[in-house]
Amino acid sequence: TQLLEQSPQFLSIQEGENLTVYCNSSSVFSSLQWYRQEPGEGPVLLVTVVTGGEVKKLKRLTFQFGDARKDSSLHITAAQPGDTGLYLCAGTNSGGSNYKLTFGKGTLLTVNP
Amino acid sequence: NAGVTQTPKFQVLKTGQSMTLQCAQDMNHNSMYWYRQDPGMGLRLIYYSASEGTTDKGEVPNGYNVSRLNKREFSLRLESAAPSQTSVYFCASTRDWAGAYEQYFGPGTRLTVT
Repeated sequence: TQLLEQSPQFLSIQEGENLTVYCNSSSVFSSLQWYRQEPGEGPVLLVTVVTGGEVKKLKRLTFQFGDARKDSSLHITAAQPGDTGLYLCAGTNSGGSNYKLTFGKGTLLTVNP
Repeated sequence: NAGVTQTPKFQVLKTGQSMTLQCAQDMNHNSMYWYRQDPGMGLRLIYYSASEGTTDKGEVPNGYNVSRLNKREFSLRLESAAPSQTSVYFCASTRDWAGAYEQYFGPGTRLTVT
């Protein structure tokens, strides 16, 4: 069974701070996605990375896919209360069924005003 | 463009009752999924349908059945609800983009079984 480990599990910071959350695995993934889930809502796709070493930016969010395609990170610059939510990473298996994603358990981020 | 819709949003059942959760997508996606989300457990795949006419078990299929009614609709049925099935249920459909299966989720159904 492939696993995606996310860290930290919980993170509480003040508005304006920077932060990085991580998504790690011992398995190789053909692609990896990040989702954000707000309370009472379904997860919403933020970004997909497909190439080892790839970096994508979405406003204040920077996503990186590891060179070996086993890990990813999400960096938020100058966090705002609107960034509060559960951040999930999910990977597509490079060696098995491509219809299923493996999800991490998420990092619950709280940004205090 | 509504995306993925789910009904109902909330439901309370008594142990042993049955119900069907409905899901529809208007994005012309081939693949659809049912997940449950529990505190500390993350999202767990119950069943999925890679294309119209096919369904397959996921990680936690026991106690559930599914029907892929057509390309748009994918329903989840609890035949005899148990308290362990208290959870938030999400339906998702998938866009195949360059081999990456990007998922689009519905708003969820919050189910309590007493």
